[in-house]
Parts: sequence; structure tokens; C-alpha cells
Amino acid sequence: RKEVEQDPGPFNVPEGATVAFNCTYSNSASQSFFWYRQDCRKEPKLLMSVYSSGNEDGRFTAQLNRASQYISLLIRDSKLSDSATYLCVVKDYSGSARQLTFGSGTQLTVLP
Amino acid sequence: DVKVTQSSRYLVKRTGEKVFLECVQDMDHENMFWYRQDPGLGLRLIYFSYDVKMKEKGDIPEGYSVSREKKERFSLILESASTNQTSMYLCASSSREQYFGPGTRLTVT
Repeated sequence: RKEVEQDPGPFNVPEGATVAFNCTYSNSASQSFFWYRQDCRKEPKLLMSVYSSGNEDGRFTAQLNRASQYISLLIRDSKLSDSATYLCVVKDYSGSARQLTFGSGTQLTVLP
Repeated sequence: DVKVTQSSRYLVKRTGEKVFLECVQDMDHENMFWYRQDPGLGLRLIYFSYDVKMKEKGDIPEGYSVSREKKERFSLILESASTNQTSMYLCASSSREQYFGPGTRLTVT
């Protein structure tokens, strides 16, 4: 079983739609959670951290459910420029800097 | 503004060649990482370093080595390149979040 699992998609949605991605993680000791965005042939870039109480940044809302061990990303009013691959990232603090685990990514295409 | 740079965007090497990939960060981060990214496999950690001259193996270190002589620079070395090392190589540095370089797309023929 993968440590961090995401639905690979692709998700094809029309402009203006609301779309949600889920990501499950297997390590209950995980402490920090992030969503990264990766455009085609580019490096991943931090989209937002995910806090226990949930957090919002404009059209983007991230939620964490520790009991069920999943995080989610909601994108409202999708734009063409939101087309990208979204990576779920989980970090635990086992004393090593290495403990950052990436999901394989969910591909989103926003259609005109 | 945060900056991680990598020495090459595209590289083509022959089987058996020694390959050096360099990464430089200007954020004074202690932690630096080398990943490879392949379709369907996501990002896989090759090596990381948490201080000058310190290194630890990641999930797939075989066929690779690293060097960190200065805090800002972290090098990945392929001692004898093979075709299965054709991939996108991404360097990152971190405090809490990780910041990535633009990547090096390496083709080994």
C-alpha cells in the first residue's frame, strides 16, 4: 500500500466548476500536510499548507481529517490556469529531515 | 524571493558516462534533497543532506552518490550512467516547506 494515495485522474471540468481532490495517508504519525501544484514540464510549487482547522486561500480550500487520515483540496470557480497536476504531500517528524512523502498527483484540466 | 537553481535544464549522456548534476540554493537552508520523477511513480527521494558534508540515503540511492561541500550547493553524481536513469531530476531545499529547482531532464542513450 502506498503511503500517500491520490486518484490520478484526469479530472476534466468546465470553467467555473467546483472540483475536489482527496488524498489518503497511511502514517497516523504524520504531522504536516501540503498541497503542491506542478505544471507540465515544470517543478512542483507549494500551493498551500493544510492546517488542522482547515484553511482557505481565495478559491482554494484545504481540509484535514485526522480520524480518517485524509486531506482534501477544493477549487471553486475553476479557471483555465488551474490546469495542472496537484500533489499531496505529507510530513512526519520522526527526527529525520527526509520524512516528506509525495503522492503521485492528480491531473486537472479545466476546459473552456 | 526563494531561489533554487540547477546547472542544466536538459542533458543527454551516453551509457557509462559519469554525470554531475548541480543544485544551488540561496535561502541558507540546511536541508537539501535530490528526487527523480517518472510518469506514474511520482517523486522518489534519492538522497538528502541535512548539513554540510552530511548525507543520508533516500528510497532509491543505488547508482547515485552526492556531495555537499558547501551549504548552498548539493551535487548528484551518476558514477556510470545507465538507460534506466533517464528521468527528470529535481533538487529541493527546505526549512518547513520544500522549494524546488526547475529540474534537469536527463536522457541516457
